Amino acid sequence: EAEVAQSPRYKITEKSQAVAFWCDPISGHATLYWYRQILGQGPELLVQFQDESVVDDSQLPKDRFSAERLKGVDSTLKIQPAELGDSAMYLCASSLQGLIAGGYNEQFFGPGTRLTVL
Amino acid sequence: QKEVEQDPGPLSVPEGAIVSLNCTYSNSAFQYFMWYRQYSRKGPELLMYTYSSGNKEDGRFTAQVDKSSKYISLFIRDSQPSDSATYLCAMRTGGSEKLVFGKGMKLTVNP
Repeated sequence: EAEVAQSPRYKITEKSQAVAFWCDPISGHATLYWYRQILGQGPELLVQFQDESVVDDSQLPKDRFSAERLKGVDSTLKIQPAELGDSAMYLCASSLQGLIAGGYNEQFFGPGTRLTVL
Repeated sequence: QKEVEQDPGPLSVPEGAIVSLNCTYSNSAFQYFMWYRQYSRKGPELLMYTYSSGNKEDGRFTAQVDKSSKYISLFIRDSQPSDSATYLCAMRTGGSEKLVFGKGMKLTVNP
């Protein structure tokens, strides 16, 4: 069964350091999402890609976060410098395509990267 | 006020109980309503989705949407220990793929 792959699964870093997370979506999925899930909260969308283009990055803290999906396949999310408040689970999801008129497009989630900033 | 409100629990029930999970929302533009299940240290997985108002049943699970009250529910019949997980409601409008999640309710089903 096809799955969204993420690495690393766990990352511990000190504040002010740089961290990067990688996501490989399900093959053929054009849309890729990065969510952040703080402990005890639901996931919140950080950035959405359609192929290699950013569709929505309105909730991405652009002073320290960046995301790219250069070839429209896998994606990297970077934080530099990391802050204590960035400790969270970073989830990647993918879906087959963008909006379908009158239809539903399921988002499939990866296992996440749990980040701890000390 | 957050767009989606969900009682975070936790909720503990005996095996075989009927479980009711609920969310309320404020954005009347939401058209798609989802329930996700998230096991510890895993990503969320879609349980059910409903478009607009109405009921949807899948085995032991029933999802209900009442758009007039801005209220959605998930019912689990004959709950099993394997149902122990965090249940997240999520919603989106018809014009965006962005999912807006509730906080999640942690459910424990005791054997």
